[in-house]
Amino acid sequence: EAGVAQSPRYKIIEKRQSVAFWCNPISGHATLYWYQQILGQGPKLLIQFQNNGVVDDSQLPKDRFSAERLKGVDSTLKIQPAKLEDSAVYLCASSRAVLAGNEQFFGPGTRLTVL
Amino acid sequence: AQSVAQPEDQVNVAEGNPLTVKCTYSVSGNPYLFWYVQYPNRGLQFLLKYITGDNLVKGSYGFEAEFNKSQTSFHLKKPSALVSDSALYFCAVRDPARISGGYNKLIFGAGTRLAVHP
Repeated sequence: EAGVAQSPRYKIIEKRQSVAFWCNPISGHATLYWYQQILGQGPKLLIQFQNNGVVDDSQLPKDRFSAERLKGVDSTLKIQPAKLEDSAVYLCASSRAVLAGNEQFFGPGTRLTVL
Repeated sequence: AQSVAQPEDQVNVAEGNPLTVKCTYSVSGNPYLFWYVQYPNRGLQFLLKYITGDNLVKGSYGFEAEFNKSQTSFHLKKPSALVSDSALYFCAVRDPARISGGYNKLIFGAGTRLAVHP
């Protein structure tokens, strides 16, 4: 089966600009996750969707970050305006359901550099 | 609060030797534990998980991990390391009994870089 797709793979912007990332999960996976991975750290969950509903966005900086999954399939994550500290790899992952024992499948990530 | 610790930033091992990457966790209930591997410029790849049952879990590429409840550890092991095993390894924990916003988070450690030398 095809894996999780993400685009773009790399993005360089200046601070205060906006940027958007796209993710297409594995077909049939109801749960979609966006993670932020800062260099030297493990991934940190930003937001979790079950179908097209948000079930956890407690760590999403809502003043600048937004995400949507309108049709319960692909998703976009937006940052507006970007700050220097947003430089990181943004990982999208999906799983069959939100059951605690299900492993997550990750996309290749988008490396964002904010200058 | 649930947490994961990977005490070693880097592990160096010679090819053919056994390897161990350490992980300890803290959760309030019975943990679900995972190991992922990350190769350069790629996303995380699932290796293995412990949910319940046998404490020794076998996974992909010859890796295995041992769940030790008394030591709250879940160390990753391989009997004979390959140069191609060189990568970044992440341990993660989920507490199925702990609800946050209705669903429980997967918490990752900071990662351990494994370097296997020829």
